[in-house]
This record gives sequence, structure tokens and C-alpha cells, in this order.
Amino acid sequence: DQQVKQNSPSLSVQEGRISILNCDYTNSMFDYFLWYKKYPAEGPTFLISISSIKDKNEDGRFTVFLNKSAKHLSLHIVPSQPGDSAVYFCAASGNTGGFKTIFGAGTRLFVKA
Amino acid sequence: NAGVTQTPKFQVLKTGQSMTLQCAQDMNHNSMYWYRQDPGMGLRLIYYSASEGTTDKGEVPNGYNVSRLNKREFSLRLESAAPSQTSVYFCASSERRGGGYGYTFGSGTRLTVV
Repeated sequence: DQQVKQNSPSLSVQEGRISILNCDYTNSMFDYFLWYKKYPAEGPTFLISISSIKDKNEDGRFTVFLNKSAKHLSLHIVPSQPGDSAVYFCAASGNTGGFKTIFGAGTRLFVKA
Repeated sequence: NAGVTQTPKFQVLKTGQSMTLQCAQDMNHNSMYWYRQDPGMGLRLIYYSASEGTTDKGEVPNGYNVSRLNKREFSLRLESAAPSQTSVYFCASSERRGGGYGYTFGSGTRLTVV
């Protein structure tokens, strides 16, 4: 049973437009949510996180929105750039003892010039 | 540059062979992790070490063992490799376990078991 789901395997966006990557989770015990970016032949890189006490966190071109009632979060990239083309992993974790970070399957973003 | 170093980068094993994947971090992080990445499955946790001297099983520990040699080093051992263990393996570290602390990942080891 996948606790963190990224239902879109891939997304294609024109340069300069907005990219929206979606993620759903099932476990209400999660209280931190993170996004990672991965280029081919490299390890994932931490991008941005949000605590469950917030509904929005912004860092430059990247904004993460959290809807706790829907158990849904999204990553917005505005404006999208060709260098943003990568695989994006959504992840969720909790602070309770023994809890681990669970990753989604990833969404491959293509930003066309 | 500070970070997480994994060796080797590539490895081909025959079924039944054993090997150890090495991982070292120089950021003085307390927690270290081993993940495997398979197509359509995302990153799945094999084992983790919350702090020096402790190790715990993750989601998919069967067929693997780990050693937290010291604060810097966390190795993953395959005692008898199987084709199902063909994957890309990532080591990661973090200052603390869980929460909003992002992980720093190594560049990965691509393992093929034939």
C-alpha cells in the first residue's frame, strides 16, 4: 500500500509557464512534507519542505501548497526553466518514534524551450 | 566538497556472490540511510541508523545487512546477491531523523545481478 502517491509519471511544460506537480498521501500521522529533485546519474537533492501547521511555503520560484483535509500537496514552479527538467520526488515524514521518510514514485518534468 | 560519498558507482554481480556498498559522509550528521530506487517504486528504505551505534530495518530489509562503523560510515552488505536486488542504491544522511530535515544523498550505486 503506497502511503505517498504521485499519480502523474510525467509532465511536459513550456518554458516560462507554470509547472504543477501533485502528491497525495494516506497517513494522517505525517507532519512534514518534502520535495526532492533528481537529475540522471545523480542522487536526489532536497528542494523544499513544509510543516503540517502551514499551508504554503515559498522559496524563490518554488512554492509548496498543503491541503491537509484532502491529504494533498503540490509543488508549483514559476516560471519553469529548461534546467528544471528532472524527476521530482514527493516525500512525507513524521516526528513520532520510529517513523521514517516515505517517498513517492516520482514525476518526470520536461520543460521545453 | 562536503557531502555523501558512495563506492562503487557501478557493479555487476553473479547470483550468490556477496559484496559491500560503502558510504561515508563528512557533514557530522547523526542519521544515515540506505535506499533502493526501482522504476515506478520511488525510493524505498532498506535500513537506517538514527545515530552511531544503532541500526534499524526499513521497508525492504530482507537480503541485506548494515554496519554503522562510526559516525561517518554506514555500509550495506549483500550476503548472497539475487536478481531481485538489481537496483540503484542510494546512501543518505541527515542531521536528525524525520521531520523537515532534508537528506543529503550520495550519487548512487547501480548494481546488476545476473
